[in-house]
Amino acid sequence: NAGVTQTPKFQVLKTGQSMTLQCAQDMNHEYMSWYRQDPGMGLRLIHYSVGAGITDQGEVPNGYNVSRSTTEDFPLRLLSAAPSQTSVYFCASRSGTSGGPSYEQYFGPGTRLTVT
Amino acid sequence: AQSVAQPEDQVNVAEGNPLTVKCTYSVSGNPYLFWYVQYPNRGLQFLLKYITGDNLVKGSYGFEAEFNKSQTSFHLKKPSALVSDSALYFCAVRVRPASGTYKYIFGTGTRLKVLA
Repeated sequence: NAGVTQTPKFQVLKTGQSMTLQCAQDMNHEYMSWYRQDPGMGLRLIHYSVGAGITDQGEVPNGYNVSRSTTEDFPLRLLSAAPSQTSVYFCASRSGTSGGPSYEQYFGPGTRLTVT
Repeated sequence: AQSVAQPEDQVNVAEGNPLTVKCTYSVSGNPYLFWYVQYPNRGLQFLLKYITGDNLVKGSYGFEAEFNKSQTSFHLKKPSALVSDSALYFCAVRVRPASGTYKYIFGTGTRLKVLA
């Protein structure tokens, strides 16, 4: 099992550019989430999904879009990058009701994004 | 508002001494509580959780945590610290918002430094 994978590891964008952060998991987990980590603020939830075709907003969704066309993949799109989106982004997954919920989340290695 | 707090930004402890990293929470209903560890340039790794049952929960790498309902706390402990325990530790709680599915709220993190 590769677990949760994220690409790219690092990215530098100019203000106004768009890009997609990729996230994939091979554990057949129903739930997937995107967080951003900023110093002194812990992790904040951006968007999440409870299954293919179902997404919802988290605590800080503005400026980001998501989609979930398959169980495995959950990409995060930055529509028009701003310096305030400079952060480290983590994708996480966990099992849902099928197979018994485990509640704990499994995290990817992160994408460090800088917007200039 | 539902929340989780880690009152210490940093905890320093000598190798071989016991360590405690503090966490308090405020949630409605029965809390589901978690501890995660983050090593430099890595994603978060699950350490342990409290769902129900015994108030003392044992987890990975010799860590344990004590759930105290009256003090609304879930402190992380280890009897004898190792230099390799130096990392960033996050407490998290599962919450049920007014609408939508369960979400996880993370504390701001506590940096543990174990001194040789």
